[in-house]
Order: sequence, then C-alpha cells, then structure tokens
Amino acid sequence: DAGVIQSPRHEVTEMGQEVTLRCKPISGHNSLFWYRQTMMRGLELLIYFNNNVPIDDSGMPEDRFSAKMPNASFSTLKIQPSEPRDSAVYFCASSFKGGANTQYFGPGTRLTVL
Amino acid sequence: GENVEQHPSTLSVQEGDSAVIKCTYSDSASNYFPWYKQELGKGPQLIIDIRSNVGEKKDQRIAVTLNKTAKHFSLHITETQPEDSAVYFCAANIQGAQKLVFGQGTRLTINP
Repeated sequence: DAGVIQSPRHEVTEMGQEVTLRCKPISGHNSLFWYRQTMMRGLELLIYFNNNVPIDDSGMPEDRFSAKMPNASFSTLKIQPSEPRDSAVYFCASSFKGGANTQYFGPGTRLTVL
Repeated sequence: GENVEQHPSTLSVQEGDSAVIKCTYSDSASNYFPWYKQELGKGPQLIIDIRSNVGEKKDQRIAVTLNKTAKHFSLHITETQPEDSAVYFCAANIQGAQKLVFGQGTRLTINP
C-alpha cells in the first residue's frame, strides 16, 4: 500500500514566486486534508475536500493560498505570491468518509521562502 | 471553537518506565480522539484512537483513556523503549465531524 504521496519533499523559492504542492491520496479514500505545521502555530488545518469538493477552507490564511482537487487521485495547494512567513511543512492527509474517518498523513513538503 | 490543550510539552523518562500524556478538549460534541506519533522529518502516524462510546482502549504497550464528563483523555505508554522517542500529538474532532483540532504536541525522550 503506497500511502499518501506528496511532492516535492523540499522546496526552496524566493519571495514573490509561485509555489505548487502536490498530493496523491490513498486509493479509495474520498476525503483529503491540507495541513500546515510550524513551531509557533503547531499543526493547523488549511482546507479539506469530500469527493473532490471543498468543504471547509476557513483555515486558508489569505487569498494568496488556493487549493484544487480535479479528481479523486490528485490535489494541489498553490501559494502565489509566496512570502517568507509561508515557510513551513505542509502535510496532506486522506481518509475514507463514512468509515472510521481515520486520517493518514503523507511525508510532507518542507517549504522555505527566502 | 474547539480548543485542545496538551501537557506536558516535553517529557523525559527512563527506558522501561511508563509515560503519560494528557489532553483536554472543549467541544462537548467531540466523539473521536486520535493520537499521532511524529518522528523527525516524517508525517504524523496514527498510533491509537478512541471513540466516545469507549472509556479505554489498549494496543500492546499503548493505551488511551477517555473521560467524557471531564473532557479529557490520556495516552499511556508502558515499558518504554528508545524507539518511542518522538513528538506525540492528541486531537479531537469538531462537532462530531471530520475536522480535527490538534494539541501542541509532547516531545517524549526515552533515556537509555
């Protein structure tokens, strides 16, 4: 079983550049979650989808952040333009809604904005 | 909104001893309480979870207890081993739904 796959694992970019993070959920899962982890704020939910539809984006920090899920096996989180304060580890997690609802996390993308 | 408080923030125990991490939550509708272990450079991994219709759950050296009246739940690790060293997070769901709120984490160190 492949688990949740995220790419890239590390991203270093300059302020003002566009950043796109990618996630492939576990096959058969119908819910997908994007989290951000920082020392100051801990692990916080940004947005989640059910059956490819965004359900709650109240955690998205501002309009510079956007997320899409064009199909059941792929999601992106985009930051445009990026700022140094966006530096963090971004995790994707997936679960099967209607089952145990257990969330399984990917390995994360460490983003550094210079 | 839901608030999850986790204590202690750091915990150091001798190998073979037990470790206990405690969490409290505020949303009385919460009914799902998972615990995650995060090793350096990796994503959080579920180690055990409990639902509100159960007071205690065990899996080998790990156990979780839940007191819904007091709104607190705890993780117990017995016979600790060096590989138990990691950061542990508790979480609770909001309004009995899918959204989780996480505690701030406990850095557990097992001393040989």
